Formats: sequence, C-alpha cells, structure tokens
Amino acid sequence: SAVISQKPSRDICQRGTSLTIQCQVDSQVTMMFWYRQQPGQSLTLIATANQGSEATYESGFVIDKFPISRPNLTFSTLTVSNLSPEDSSIYLCSVGKGQPTNYGYTFGSGTRLTVV
Amino acid sequence: QKEVEQNSGPLSVPEGAIASLNCTYSDRGSQSFFWYRQYSGKSPELIMFIYSNGDKEDGRFTAQLNKASQYVSLLIRDSQPSDSATYLCAVYGNSKLTFGKGITLSVRP
Repeated sequence: SAVISQKPSRDICQRGTSLTIQCQVDSQVTMMFWYRQQPGQSLTLIATANQGSEATYESGFVIDKFPISRPNLTFSTLTVSNLSPEDSSIYLCSVGKGQPTNYGYTFGSGTRLTVV
Repeated sequence: QKEVEQNSGPLSVPEGAIASLNCTYSDRGSQSFFWYRQYSGKSPELIMFIYSNGDKEDGRFTAQLNKASQYVSLLIRDSQPSDSATYLCAVYGNSKLTFGKGITLSVRP
C-alpha cells in the first residue's frame, strides 16, 4: 500500500487564521480524499481532491472554507480558512489506487488542529 | 442520505472469546465493504474488505457480507488485549467511502 506523509502532525492556531495541511504520497495514486474526525466521532468526508480540476466537495463543506489543491498524482493540500474553535478536529488525508475493491484506502497519520 | 450504522457500544469481551461487530448500510448500490481498526490517537488502518456475499477469512478475522439484508459483520476469534480499539465499518459506493460511527472493543485480560 502507499506510504503517506502528512504535515503538520498537530498545530494550535488563532481564531481567524488559516492552516494548510500537506499530504505527500510515495507513489502515484488515482484517488485522494480529505476527511475530518471530530473528537469521539467517526470520519466525515470533506472532499475528493481531483488532479488538474477543482475538488468535489461533500454536502456541508465549501471551497471558500476548505480550499484544496492537487497539482499532481502524489501531492495535495487542504487549507482550513478563517478558523473558529468549531474547526478543532483531526484532519486526515486518504489515498487509493483506483477501485478500492482491490486495494482499500490508506490513511495518513492525521493533523490534530486546535483553534484558540 | 446514505448511512452506515454500527450497533452501539462499547463492547467488552474476555481474552480468548469471539468478538462480533455488526454494521448495516442503506445504499443497495454499495459495492464493497471495509473494516478499519483505529487505536486511540492513531489513524485508521485497514483490516479487511469484502465485496462478495459470504465469508472471508484472514487469520483471526472473518468478514461476513449479506447484501440481501444489507449487513456486514466482523468476527474476531481468540480476542487479545491488543485488539482493544475502535472498529470502523466503511462502505464504498458512488466513488467514495462512507464510515459508520465505530464501535469500541475492549478485551479484558
């Protein structure tokens, strides 16, 4: 399976600022996703990062708040903008090589964000 | 709204017992089904996936799928304290993976 490097691993940010999270994969992957895991909760898909086009956002998530870039098949960034305490969460990058039937999806180690 | 439901926990079993974790899903078009394990403070790791009706075994783990009943389960045989974690059921459909809320398993020594 792919090896994912996600940075930063944690950060404490001030209200109103932004945080950009990076996801680097050791091989080319078809699918890259960004998830959020709020304390004690399961994973919620934020968006699918599409290479060469705009990300596909899930209901309740918008590009202005969560801009995503994916310049190539091994790298993506998620920015969480205009931070508020409600954004305190763990953000996870996930990747898959084509249909998950054969491979499943692999997760990065996550970014723990605390907004103060 | 496509949903993935896991029975409420936490679940506690004695060491050596069989732990049974259950999951139902609402979208009949779902294609494949996954079980992830998540230790506290860590990211989810894939344990098993299944896409055909029936059982699939991998070591102490058995995944069971019944598409007619929209039901998937995970059995852990000879449970060990190291199996204590949160187990997440995930369903693939419409090009994305949707997760259940997870169930926390505690294996008592």
